[in-house]
Amino acid sequence: DAGVIQSPRHEVTEMGQEVTLRCKPISGHNSLFWYRQTMMRGLELLIYFNNNVPIDDSGMPEDRFSAKMPNASFSTLKIQPSEPRDSAVYFCASKPAGLSLTQYFGPGTRLTVL
Amino acid sequence: GENVEQHPSTLSVQEGDSAVIKCTYSDSASNYFPWYKQELGKGPQLIIDIRSNVGEKKDQRIAVTLNKTAKHFSLHITETQPEDSAVYFCAATLGTDKLIFGTGTRLQVFP
Repeated sequence: DAGVIQSPRHEVTEMGQEVTLRCKPISGHNSLFWYRQTMMRGLELLIYFNNNVPIDDSGMPEDRFSAKMPNASFSTLKIQPSEPRDSAVYFCASKPAGLSLTQYFGPGTRLTVL
Repeated sequence: GENVEQHPSTLSVQEGDSAVIKCTYSDSASNYFPWYKQELGKGPQLIIDIRSNVGEKKDQRIAVTLNKTAKHFSLHITETQPEDSAVYFCAATLGTDKLIFGTGTRLQVFP
């Protein structure tokens, strides 16, 4: 079975540009999470969706960040405009419905903002 | 909100020795405690988890213990192997989908 798929795997952009990160969760999973990982702040939850509905976006750093989940098999995280401090690895994870609390992480997108 | 502290930040052991990583949490209502392993260039992967109604759980060379009174839980790896080298993260949750992660422990196992 395919795991969580993220694209692109690497993104280098210049300050001020718009960046869109993409995620395809595991088929049949109904929860999706966006995390950011940096050396300074570790692994931080940005936002998560349940049945395509945003449940908690309290971790989204500021208005420059937005996330959408138009259907059960696709989500995007957009940064506009991007800043050098947004440089990090962004992970998407998904979780099946039911009692399991296990989150399955994708390989991540390494974002560098120059 | 919940806060999770993890120690040590780095740990070096000789192959065959045991490794122990400890975490403390702040919210006594937390009831689920997973451990994730992150290899270089990959996303974290669950290796073992424990719920608050259990004091210990074991899976081959890996075990997790939970002390609810003291609000801490630990990961024990016995007979370490070079392929155990990775970054390990603990996490805690109140039973919702929102996991609060510790800061990570970089484990190096030397042959």
